[in-house]
Amino acid sequence: GEDVEQSLFLSVREGDSSVINCTYTDSSSTYLYWYKQEPGAGLQLLTYIFSNMDMKQDQRLTVLLNKKDKHLSLRIADTQTGDSAIYFCAETEYGNKLVFGAGTILRVKS
Amino acid sequence: DVKVTQSSRYLVKRTGEKVFLECVQDMDHENMFWYRQDPGLGLRLIYFSYDVKMKEKGDIPEGYSVSREKKERFSLILESASTNQTSMYLCASSSIVQPQHFGDGTRLSIL
Repeated sequence: GEDVEQSLFLSVREGDSSVINCTYTDSSSTYLYWYKQEPGAGLQLLTYIFSNMDMKQDQRLTVLLNKKDKHLSLRIADTQTGDSAIYFCAETEYGNKLVFGAGTILRVKS
Repeated sequence: DVKVTQSSRYLVKRTGEKVFLECVQDMDHENMFWYRQDPGLGLRLIYFSYDVKMKEKGDIPEGYSVSREKKERFSLILESASTNQTSMYLCASSSIVQPQHFGDGTRLSIL
């Protein structure tokens, strides 16, 4: 079946850029998502990209998609302490049922 | 903004009890989902629904059932709660044009 993999942990200094990586196996993926989860809360949709796009930028967030390698990344510019959270990558073929990665814990040191 | 509301943030129940977790969305979304989240395992899909009175099994449906009598409400039922069902439960809803939006979660403890 489909699988999504992420590294478990990333630590950066405040003001630096963070890059969170994700790989997936489903070549039929149409949408790929990034969600953020703060402690004790649900998942907040950060951004998503359609599979025919290579890049999407939204303020401090840049999403890069390499469809050939099935690799997705989320870059957070000027990372702040409020960005500390768990980040989930997810993909879908039909836009309904999502397959999630296990999440990457981002720790921002001040 | 999409609003997905889960009835309880924290819930403590006893082994063998029948437990109901409720979820309501206010965006007229067709699709609704129940996940559980456990450390190191990410999110796992329990059940989902594409329409009123319709349900589909997800990846881990054993020990759970669901009910969708109205479009805005999706209930998760633990028929006879067990300690291995202690977890964080997350509800989400989506439509053809909107991706999944999540509630704040219910942290359920089964003693």
